[in-house]
Amino acid sequence: RKEVEQDPGPFNVPEGATVAFNCTYSNSASQSFFWYRQDCRKEPKLLMSVYSSGNEDGRFTAQLNRASQYISLLIRDSKLSDSATYLCVVNLETDRGSTLGRLYFGRGTQLTVWP
Amino acid sequence: DGGITQSPKYLFRKEGQNVTLSCEQNLNHDAMYWYRQDPGQGLRLIYYSQIVNDFQKGDIAEGYSVSREKKESFPLTVTSAQKNPTAFYLCASSMRQHQADTQYFGPGTRLTVL
Repeated sequence: RKEVEQDPGPFNVPEGATVAFNCTYSNSASQSFFWYRQDCRKEPKLLMSVYSSGNEDGRFTAQLNRASQYISLLIRDSKLSDSATYLCVVNLETDRGSTLGRLYFGRGTQLTVWP
Repeated sequence: DGGITQSPKYLFRKEGQNVTLSCEQNLNHDAMYWYRQDPGQGLRLIYYSQIVNDFQKGDIAEGYSVSREKKESFPLTVTSAQKNPTAFYLCASSMRQHQADTQYFGPGTRLTVL
């Protein structure tokens, strides 16, 4: 069973649309959560961390539901430049009770925004 | 500018040859990581290092080796024992190996075995 599951898409939306991505994680001991963005043939870059209370950064809103082990990313007013693959990432402790962690990546959800 | 550099960007290797991928960071980060990415798959952890002269195997360490002699450098050797080495290799670093610390990635090396 994979630690992080994502719908790979692709999602094809027009400019200005609102689009939402979902992600589930299997280990309830997961401590930190992130969304990374990866452009074609480039390295992943941190888009935003995901906090328990939910957080917003401009057009992007991230939500965390620990009870359901579910993370989401909402993009409002999509731009052409939002076209990329969005990676759901979970940081899991290496040993029970440890503060050391390592990342587990979902396969990514591909988004294409068309004019 | 602070950052992570990887070289070369593209690398071609014949079967049976070992090859070493370079990763250097000037962010003063303690922790460094190597990942492999295959098409349609998530990143998979090969090796990681919490501190100089220490490193741990990740999920797919077989056929790979690393060293961490300097804080700034974490080279990865892909040996001939790696059965399917063609992939996109990404190096990352973080301040510490702490759960909350963000990992930053280098631009990657695309390895093709001919």
